[in-house]
Amino acid sequence: DAGVTQSPTHLIKTRGQQVTLRCSPKSGHDTVSWYQQALGQGPQFIFQYYEEEERQRGNFPDRFSGHQFPNYSSELNVNALLLGDSALYLCASSLLWGLAKNIQYFGAGTRLSVL
Amino acid sequence: DQQVKQNSPSLSVQEGRISILNCDYTNSMFDYFLWYKKYPAEGPTFLISISSIKDKNEDGRFTVFLNKSAKHLSLHIVPSQPGDSAVYFCAASAEEGGNFNKFYFGSGTKLNVKP
Repeated sequence: DAGVTQSPTHLIKTRGQQVTLRCSPKSGHDTVSWYQQALGQGPQFIFQYYEEEERQRGNFPDRFSGHQFPNYSSELNVNALLLGDSALYLCASSLLWGLAKNIQYFGAGTRLSVL
Repeated sequence: DQQVKQNSPSLSVQEGRISILNCDYTNSMFDYFLWYKKYPAEGPTFLISISSIKDKNEDGRFTVFLNKSAKHLSLHIVPSQPGDSAVYFCAASAEEGGNFNKFYFGSGTKLNVKP
């Protein structure tokens, strides 16, 4: 049973560029959340997708956008990259309903460096 | 605004002894709490959780305690093993908008269990 997979594992971009990160959820999961983890900090919630719609959003600017596809996979897009966007981006999947709905399974993340 | 705080960045414990990791929160609307463990180059892995209607949950060597009046939870690991050495994140969630939860993470505590 494949867990959460993210691609790419590492990425280097320059300021002003745009980036797309990808995530495939754990088999059977229908909800995908994205987090930004800066060095020495905990994951910060960016947004959550269910049924191809953004359902919750954290305190992130509109430069951060996402998409969920019919197969539940998801993309995170960041436009006009800033140096401060350098971080580990984590994808987590979960079930919206049931006893396990609060338990998220995380991928290993994409390390984004903005130069 | 940091709603979940882990004030100890690191903890060192001898193998076989008890490890106690602490977490404080400010939002009284949080109704579910989780602990995640993270090894280098891997995503966080779910460890144990507790609902706000309980004050204790136990799973093998891991026990989580919740003190709602103090807005404090703790994770006890007994006995500690070298393989427990990792970064531990405390997380809390509140249902905001239908069935969709936002998750808030602390900054983590790095546990080192010495052989």
